[in-house]
Amino acid sequence: GDSVTQMEGPVTLSEEAFLTINCTYTATGYPSLFWYVQYPGEGLQLLLKATKADDKGSNKGFEATYRKETTSFHLEKGSVQVSDSAVYFCALNNQGGKLIFGQGTELSVKP
Amino acid sequence: EPEVTQTPSHQVTQMGQEVILRCVPISNHLYFYWYRQILGQKVEFLVSFYNNEISEKSEIFDDQFSVERPDGSNFTLKIRSTKLEDSAMYFCASSFPGQQNNEQFFGPGTRLTVL
Repeated sequence: GDSVTQMEGPVTLSEEAFLTINCTYTATGYPSLFWYVQYPGEGLQLLLKATKADDKGSNKGFEATYRKETTSFHLEKGSVQVSDSAVYFCALNNQGGKLIFGQGTELSVKP
Repeated sequence: EPEVTQTPSHQVTQMGQEVILRCVPISNHLYFYWYRQILGQKVEFLVSFYNNEISEKSEIFDDQFSVERPDGSNFTLKIRSTKLEDSAMYFCASSFPGQQNNEQFFGPGTRLTVL
């Protein structure tokens, strides 16, 4: 069945460092891909999405490109802030219906 | 901006008791979902609901679970006889057909603690 695999955390970075969180997926067809963020004590918020190959999703300085050839959707940010500390979930949605999530990657940004 | 709301934010119950978790989806949405997240683990799909019936459910969603849309606004998840392992954060989500691949909007979650 469809699945999502993320790099394990926690990831600890200094402020202004470059961030990459790897995400790869297995799916039949052409799923849509998402990154959700969960700040401490809060629910899930959609960070960005891409619905077809080579699409780039972006929001709040974060970017991810839908790479069908490598079945990947890596999350990047050029300069992280302390306020970016959160858990990041990669997810896919295949032809509507349920979201399938990766295991989440905790990011901690130190001043 | 419309949002999904959930009540209560935290529910504590004794093992074997029934609980009902409540959600108010975004008003023009037609698809409704429940997910759960056991502490420190991934978010897992439980059930989806459309046109007053379950459209898909996971293996987790056994006979102890049920969902209902009792009126035009609420969407509930009932756990008939709670177990310790039901302790988790439960998220409700909703979506509108025709949006690109059914983008889902999540509520803030209900933390269920079973003692």
